Amino acid sequence: DAGVIQSPRHEVTEMGQEVTLRCKPISGHNSLFWYRQTMMRGLELLIYFNNNVPIDDSGMPEDRFSAKMPNASFSTLKIQPSEPRDSAVYFCASSIGLVRSSNQPQHFGDGTRLSIL
Amino acid sequence: TQLLEQSPQFLSIQEGENLTVYCNSSSVFSSLQWYRQEPGEGPVLLVTVVTGGEVKKLKRLTFQFGDARKDSSLHITAAQPGDTGLYLCAGAKNAGNMLTFGGGTRLMVKP
Repeated sequence: DAGVIQSPRHEVTEMGQEVTLRCKPISGHNSLFWYRQTMMRGLELLIYFNNNVPIDDSGMPEDRFSAKMPNASFSTLKIQPSEPRDSAVYFCASSIGLVRSSNQPQHFGDGTRLSIL
Repeated sequence: TQLLEQSPQFLSIQEGENLTVYCNSSSVFSSLQWYRQEPGEGPVLLVTVVTGGEVKKLKRLTFQFGDARKDSSLHITAAQPGDTGLYLCAGAKNAGNMLTFGGGTRLMVKP
């Protein structure tokens, strides 16, 4: 079975450019998460969707970051304009979202390594 | 400040040695998950512990959830080079899917 698919795997761009990261969750999963991982700050949750609706975006750093989930099989994370401090590995994860259960594992993609010059 | 503190941050040991990784918090969690991450890949779930005092074994790995559900440990017996990776604990605080991740323990097992 296909896991969570992220694209691109690597992105190098100059500061000020718009960056769009893409994610296809596992079919049947109704929760989707965007994380950012750096050596300094570890793995940080940016935003969480349930049934395509953003539930918690308190981790989104600032207005330059936006995320959408137009349907159950696709999500994007956009940075505009990008800055060097946005350089990190961005992960997308999905899980089965059960209302009364906190035990569902999250399945991660292999990430997008983003470098802003 | 991390809500979940992991220690040690780095650990380099020889093949065959035993080790313990700790995950501590002042908060109570409804469940706690352990993940392992290898370079160039996303984290992969190892185990979920739910009940205070619970112990789960996965081959040479033993996971324990503290009685008060605030802390957890991962013990590896006779470590092998294949155990090398970043070990992450993650806590869930309520009936929902959000997880808070610890800072991770980076383990290297040398042959």
